[in-house]
Amino acid sequence: DGGITQSPKYLFRKEGQNVTLSCEQNLNHDAMYWYRQDPGQGLRLIYYSQIVNDFQKGDIAEGYSVSREKKESFPLTVTSAQKNPTAFYLCASSEGRPAVDTQYFGPGTRLTVL
Amino acid sequence: KNEVEQSPQNLTAQEGEFITINCSYSVGISALHWLQQHPGGGIVSLFMLSSGKKKHGRLIATINIQEKHSSLHITASHPRDSAVYICAVRSHANTGANSKLTFGKGITLSVRP
Repeated sequence: DGGITQSPKYLFRKEGQNVTLSCEQNLNHDAMYWYRQDPGQGLRLIYYSQIVNDFQKGDIAEGYSVSREKKESFPLTVTSAQKNPTAFYLCASSEGRPAVDTQYFGPGTRLTVL
Repeated sequence: KNEVEQSPQNLTAQEGEFITINCSYSVGISALHWLQQHPGGGIVSLFMLSSGKKKHGRLIATINIQEKHSSLHITASHPRDSAVYICAVRSHANTGANSKLTFGKGITLSVRP
């Protein structure tokens, strides 16, 4: 089955630790995205990548880092510089073509920093 | 002012009712998306619209570009329709290969049996 997987579903970390969230897709999509969702707010874009070995900052990139070494993988690292990391993180992918830019979402990772 | 506004914020309906969820936006757009988020958190894309109307099963989405407004209608609602419905837009500023979306806060729909 084609789709996007994120792991783990729940993640707990101590304050000050870096943590990496996994995102893998087998849809052969060029574009991938990381969003953050907080209660009462719309999804906010953290980073996005339109092609392998390239990525751009979204609206709230401070305290986060990403890599795109493989087409199917787009891991997100939440660093200790992120002041309020507890949130629900969603990864998505799309073909990257404007006319067909439906985004397919993973199941999400709920990160809690203690 | 948020670029994407959704109303009402919460909505409760009885099974079988016709439901309308609204979305207004303040920027020129090239596409509008309706998304569904279930209690577990996963999000599914329902529609992508640039004009007119689309239908899929019991769901109908319409958009009025001049009024900068879109509606999502659910006919013969069912408890399994209970979810958060999110509107998102891709503005004219995000053209080319860039598919950045701006999201509304979502509307929580509860359908009672």
